[in-house]
Amino acid sequence: QVQLQESGPGLVKPSQTLSLTCTVSGGSINNDDYYWTWIRQPPGKGLEWIGYIYYSGSTYYSPSLKSRISISVDTSTNQFSLKLSSVTAADTAVYYCARGLTGVTMIVSGFDPWGQGTLVTVSS
Amino acid sequence: QSALTQPASVSGSPGQSITISCTGTSSDVGTYNYVAWYQQHPGKAPKLMIYDVTNRPSGVSNRFSGSKSGNTASLTISGLQAEDEGDYYCSSYTSSSSLHYVFGTGTKVIVL
Repeated sequence: QVQLQESGPGLVKPSQTLSLTCTVSGGSINNDDYYWTWIRQPPGKGLEWIGYIYYSGSTYYSPSLKSRISISVDTSTNQFSLKLSSVTAADTAVYYCARGLTGVTMIVSGFDPWGQGTLVTVSS
Repeated sequence: QSALTQPASVSGSPGQSITISCTGTSSDVGTYNYVAWYQQHPGKAPKLMIYDVTNRPSGVSNRFSGSKSGNTASLTISGLQAEDEGDYYCSSYTSSSSLHYVFGTGTKVIVL
């Protein structure tokens, strides 16, 4: 079965760039049925969709983060990545990667599975 | 971005049924059948419980069911069990501005 695992620094300084990678195992990222997704959850708060990428490289980002984020995919390593620039304390959150499920309409109908999540703290 | 609206908490006794609502707009829940529900236990990643409004992924108990009426989607948990306690989030595709996806505010389910 497909599993996802986030990796990256747990501490980032304000104004720097947060970089995370999600490794997909048990299945190929090179699949036209899925969108590869980043979602975050600030401590004690709800979920926020950050954006997703198709294996071809097409990306869709949250408007509130669009000016600061970049999501990329590497089909040779079965990984996709998130970069979030100019971070502040408000970007402190658990960051999850997840697989977005689609059908013939190519619209995401749900996210499954999810990685275990990684806490990123923005602090000097 | 505007989150879908859920009640902060819902409680019930073991064996009872509870329903969690998720209210959106005509740009998301009201127009599209791409509503999903997730269960999250403390310190764990969310788990998909329902997708496409009513569909259950393989392995999810049939005590969980979804429905939709107008701009409001609902998740019903029948035969409530202690293990059902946790946070529940709805989500939906949205055509609002350039946003593609939106989550609900979250509901804490308390088993009395």
